[in-house]
Amino acid sequence: NAGVTQTPKFRVLKTGQSMTLLCAQDMNHEYMYWYRQDPGMGLRLIHYSVGEGTTAKGEVPDGYNVSRLKKQNFLLGLESAAPSQTSVYFCASQRGADTQYFGPGTRLTVL
Amino acid sequence: ILNVEQSPQSLHVQEGDSTNFTCSFPSSNFYALHWYRWETAKSPEALFVMTLNGDEKKKGRISATLNTKEGYSYLYIKGSQPEDSATYLCAFPTDSNYQLIWGAGTKLIIKP
Repeated sequence: NAGVTQTPKFRVLKTGQSMTLLCAQDMNHEYMYWYRQDPGMGLRLIHYSVGEGTTAKGEVPDGYNVSRLKKQNFLLGLESAAPSQTSVYFCASQRGADTQYFGPGTRLTVL
Repeated sequence: ILNVEQSPQSLHVQEGDSTNFTCSFPSSNFYALHWYRWETAKSPEALFVMTLNGDEKKKGRISATLNTKEGYSYLYIKGSQPEDSATYLCAFPTDSNYQLIWGAGTKLIIKP
């Protein structure tokens, strides 16, 4: 099992550009999450999904959109990137009340 | 607003010494308490999920206790080693399964 994978690992964008981060899990987990992690701060939830075709807003959803068209994939989109979105993005998946399994992270820089 | 607090923020410990730190969480509507270990440049990895008051879990030299009535959990590391250097996070589910509220972590640095 690959577990949770994220694509890409690194990306540099200019302000106003768009991009999509892909998260994939092969553990048949129902729940998936997107977090951002900034220096001096803990993990902050952006959006999450409790099943295929469903998404919900987390703590810091503004400027992001998500889709969960397939159970194994959870996409995070930035329509018009801003420097404030420079961060490390982590995807995680979870089965029931079990622990969350994290991907390796995507380091995004917006110039 | 639900809040999970961890103390201290950082901790320097001599190699070989034992240490512990705290996670405080709301004591009402308790579902579970998660502990994770996060090494620099890696992603968080689960240590424990604790659900019962008085629970004690152990993994090697690391153990954790849970008091749901007073809303705290302790993580203990016995005989600290350099590889224990990491940030230790606790997290608290807001409802039955999803949306963990994360503490800011305790950064542990082991001095050789």
